[in-house]
Amino acid sequence: EAGVTQSPRYAVLQEGQAVSFWCDPISGHDTLYWYQQPRDQGPQLLVYFRDEAVIDNSQLPSDRFSAVRPKGTNSTLKIQSAKQGDTATYLCASSRTGGEDTQYFGPGTRLLVL
Amino acid sequence: GEQVEQLPSILRVQEGSSASINCTYENSASNYFPWYKQEPGENPKLIIDIRSNMERKQTQGLIVLLDKKAKRFSLHITDTQPGDSAMYFCAARDTNAYKVIFGKGTHLHVLP
Repeated sequence: EAGVTQSPRYAVLQEGQAVSFWCDPISGHDTLYWYQQPRDQGPQLLVYFRDEAVIDNSQLPSDRFSAVRPKGTNSTLKIQSAKQGDTATYLCASSRTGGEDTQYFGPGTRLLVL
Repeated sequence: GEQVEQLPSILRVQEGSSASINCTYENSASNYFPWYKQEPGENPKLIIDIRSNMERKQTQGLIVLLDKKAKRFSLHITDTQPGDSAMYFCAARDTNAYKVIFGKGTHLHVLP
């Protein structure tokens, strides 16, 4: 079974630039999570989906961040105008409701905003 | 509340001794408590978990305890080895919403 995949693995931006992160969850996993993990801190939930529906995006900075999962499979997280404070690793995770429901993480995208 | 508090933030132990990490949670609807190990440059990997219908679980040198009344759970690593040095995160998941909240992490150093 393939794991959660993410791309790109690394991104370096100037402040004000836009960037998109892509996630492909494990096949059959209906729940998909995006986390922001600053250096030496725990993952902080940004948004999560059940199928194509957003369940909770209360921690997503809505003025600059957006996330979609249009077909309930792959997902894209976009930062419209990056700030230095966005420097972090962005982790995608997926799980299956009602199954073993373990959350599996992708390798992450390391973002550096200069 | 949805906070998960994790202590200590840094833990240094001698090789062969045990290490304990403690977490507390606020959401009484939490029913699933995973523990993750994260090595530098890697993603978090599940090492053990416990559900709310259990008080204790043990696997391969790891013990997790859950006290639902006190909203407290803990990880105990017995006979620590240098390979156990890493960041460890606890988490709690809401039974209905499947929302997973992480603690801030414990940096474990196993000293030779």
